[in-house]
Amino acid sequence: GENVEQHPSTLSVQEGDSAVIKCTYSDSASNYFPWYKQELGKRPQLIIDIRSNVGEKKDQRIAVTLNKTAKHFSLHITETQPEDSAVYFCAASIGGNNRLAFGKGNQVVVIP
Amino acid sequence: GAGVSQSPRYKVAKRGQDVALRCDPISGHVSLFWYQQALGQGPEFLTYFQNEAQLDKSGLPSDRFFAERPEGSVSTLKIQRTQQEDSAVYLCASSLDRGGGEQYFGPGTRLTVT
Repeated sequence: GENVEQHPSTLSVQEGDSAVIKCTYSDSASNYFPWYKQELGKRPQLIIDIRSNVGEKKDQRIAVTLNKTAKHFSLHITETQPEDSAVYFCAASIGGNNRLAFGKGNQVVVIP
Repeated sequence: GAGVSQSPRYKVAKRGQDVALRCDPISGHVSLFWYQQALGQGPEFLTYFQNEAQLDKSGLPSDRFFAERPEGSVSTLKIQRTQQEDSAVYLCASSLDRGGGEQYFGPGTRLTVT
């Protein structure tokens, strides 16, 4: 199957705290794992991605970790700010054309 | 540079009408993807083009859906005899490489079928 599961569905954090979103995938051939941020009515914006030959990647306050054996990957946002409030989607590449299978999304709410 | 653009941004169609949705990818991008996003859900894959060739259309929900990219640049997604269940945001994404690269999304077309 091509399922990508995301947990939790909604996450509320105090400003300044960390937020972690976890995803699992089922296709062992998946080799590319992007994360997208989508604000209401806007396009999905790529915020970070990781490939299967890397275990962790960091970009300022955002990091992603990948465990290929367990088929799960996580998004970590540190020092959260109100502008981090959005829906976050994880995705995994599927097939030779690397189309993306998306999770259902996590609503992150940062409370000032 | 300019990102992916889509038109129209909003489309209201009466059930049974045909619609055509346009995508202008980033210039030079080889790969083009169409996704359908229902309210409160993640994008679902519809179809994929590499230049002008439609290499994967496994996600198209029915034969009422048709996509083309005749010159390997602009793409059009056509839906014939629209149904209420076709109401969704239709997203286009482009990628520089033949596969495995970053996908950049357009703003989407919100289709409402009444």
